[in-house]
Amino acid sequence: GAGVSQSPSNKVTEKGKDVELRCDPISGHTALYWYRQSLGQGLEFLIYFQGNSAPDKSGLPSDRFSAERTGGSVSTLTIQRTQQEDSAVYLCASSLPTGGYTGELFFGEGSRLTVL
Amino acid sequence: GENVEQHPSTLSVQEGDSAVIKCTYSDSASNYFPWYKQELGKGPQLIIDIRSNVGEKKDQRIAVTLNKTAKHFSLHITETQPEDSAVYFCAASVSGSARQLTFGSGTQLTVLP
Repeated sequence: GAGVSQSPSNKVTEKGKDVELRCDPISGHTALYWYRQSLGQGLEFLIYFQGNSAPDKSGLPSDRFSAERTGGSVSTLTIQRTQQEDSAVYLCASSLPTGGYTGELFFGEGSRLTVL
Repeated sequence: GENVEQHPSTLSVQEGDSAVIKCTYSDSASNYFPWYKQELGKGPQLIIDIRSNVGEKKDQRIAVTLNKTAKHFSLHITETQPEDSAVYFCAASVSGSARQLTFGSGTQLTVLP
């Protein structure tokens, strides 16, 4: 069965360029999360979607970061005017509707972003 | 907001020995505590979780204990094997709210053959 799919798996870009990272969650998973993992660090929450709406955007580090989700499925994380400190692995996760309980997150393998 | 601290950051054990990783949390309203394992080049994967209505949960060689009064919880791995080598993350959240999981900083466990 298909898990969470992320693309690209690796992206090298120049400082100042915009990048888009894509996440295709497991079919039927209504919740979708973006996390950032810097080298040797933990998982930093960025944004959470329930369906197409984002009730919690509190983790987005600056207005250069934005995310959208369409059709209750695919999500795109966009980073504008990239900076070197944006270099990290960006992880996407999805979860089933759980009737109010926090459920298991299923993670993709991540998109490694390197900003030169 | 919630703050989760995890110790140690690195841990090496001999194959067959036990490993213990500890986490503390700050928000007394948190009631869901999962542990995730991340192998090299992969995304984290849930290995065990505990909710605050129980104090301990076991699944074969792994167990998690929770002390709500002290606001700390621990992962115990017995009879460690080389395939247990990975980064382990604890997390905490208030279940049933839209609040996201807050993860600890991770523990790199190395099991030496």
